[in-house]
Amino acid sequence: EAEVAQSPRYKITEKSQAVAFWCDPISGHATLYWYRQILGQGPELLVQFQDESVVDDSQLPKDRFSAERLKGVDSTLKIQPAELGDSAMYLCASSSIPRDSAPEAFFGQGTRLTVV
Amino acid sequence: GQQLNQSPQSMFIQEGEDVSMNCTSSSIFNTWLWYKQDPGEGPVLLIALYKAGELTSNGRLTAQFGITRKDSFLNISASIPSDVGIYFCAGQRGNNFGNEKLTFGTGTRLTIIP
Repeated sequence: EAEVAQSPRYKITEKSQAVAFWCDPISGHATLYWYRQILGQGPELLVQFQDESVVDDSQLPKDRFSAERLKGVDSTLKIQPAELGDSAMYLCASSSIPRDSAPEAFFGQGTRLTVV
Repeated sequence: GQQLNQSPQSMFIQEGEDVSMNCTSSSIFNTWLWYKQDPGEGPVLLIALYKAGELTSNGRLTAQFGITRKDSFLNISASIPSDVGIYFCAGQRGNNFGNEKLTFGTGTRLTIIP
């Protein structure tokens, strides 16, 4: 069964260091999302791509976060410099538009980031 | 950012009991979705609702899209151990098959007491 792949699963980094996460969406899915989930809360959107273009990055802290999807397939989310408050689960999701139903967003297993 | 309000925050039940949880919003959503998240995993879609008033079932799960388009509820009948986890509602503003972001609820943690 096709799934969204994310790596690494876990990352521990010191504050002020740079960290990067990778996501490979389900093949053929044009839309890719990065969500951040703080412990005890629901996921919140950071950035949404349609192919290689950013559709929504209104909640992305652009002073330290960046995201790219250069060829419209896999994507990288970077944080530089990391802060203690960035500790969270970072979830990637992808979706397509099926012909006869509304799109379903499929989520990866996430990357759990701990900043120390 | 905005999060939808879910209640209860947590539930402790015995195996075999029925479960009911709901989700409310101050604004209208045209699509409501219910996800389940196991520890250390990403959310998995359980049920999707596309029309106000719609009642949809998926096995032991039943969900309804509120008439006002500002709320939804999820029922689980005859709970089993694998139902343990965190349940999230999510809303989308669009209903034209456009790919839009999901606004998630605060979650309901379900625990089954032996």
